[in-house]
Amino acid sequence: EDQVTQSPEALRLQEGESSSLNCSYTVSGLRGLFWYRQDPGKGPEFLFTLYSAGEEKEKERLKATLTKKESFLHITAPKPEDSATYLCAVQAAGGSYIPTFGRGTSLIVHP
Amino acid sequence: AAGVIQSPRHLIKEKRETATLKCYPIPRHDTVYWYQQGPGQDPQFLISFYEKMQSDKGSIPDRFSAQQFSDYHSELNMSSLELGDSALYFCASSLRAGGIADTQYFGPGTRLTVL
Repeated sequence: EDQVTQSPEALRLQEGESSSLNCSYTVSGLRGLFWYRQDPGKGPEFLFTLYSAGEEKEKERLKATLTKKESFLHITAPKPEDSATYLCAVQAAGGSYIPTFGRGTSLIVHP
Repeated sequence: AAGVIQSPRHLIKEKRETATLKCYPIPRHDTVYWYQQGPGQDPQFLISFYEKMQSDKGSIPDRFSAQQFSDYHSELNMSSLELGDSALYFCASSLRAGGIADTQYFGPGTRLTVL
């Protein structure tokens, strides 16, 4: 069974204090790993898709990396507007395209 | 860029009533997914359609049904509503390119409240 574990569950940072969110996964063959940002009461906003170990992608203050067991979402010099829940999901190789989501990391950035 | 459109955005129903949620995917996307999200929970997959055919089925109650139409929009029909059906319902769309990861783009959601 595919599993995704995100840590920490909640993270409080001061503005400008860089940190990383972790997504550990167990899947029988990885088709892709996704990162989303979700604000309260809104739909998840797509951030990145990573396909294979060693891959890295960046967008503004965010950088996602992937190994064979985990992914990190690095946040550099965060701002209060980066406060949100960050969701990680994996899609296993094979017939089904149903992603398995983690429970998310709730990030609060204080000014 | 065009995004996924969902309607209505908010819906209030009584127990045992029926509700219909609509989803309009990003243009040229061929796959639609439906999710249910309760407070503080991750999205729970309900059902998906690829090229107007049911693709995968998750934890969708028998009281719910869905379909994808010729213009690729999708509707989720919910009957005999229960209090526990109150949640955010998201639709996501993707362009499935066989074999590689299927990046899903989510809509803004429909908040369903059952009284």
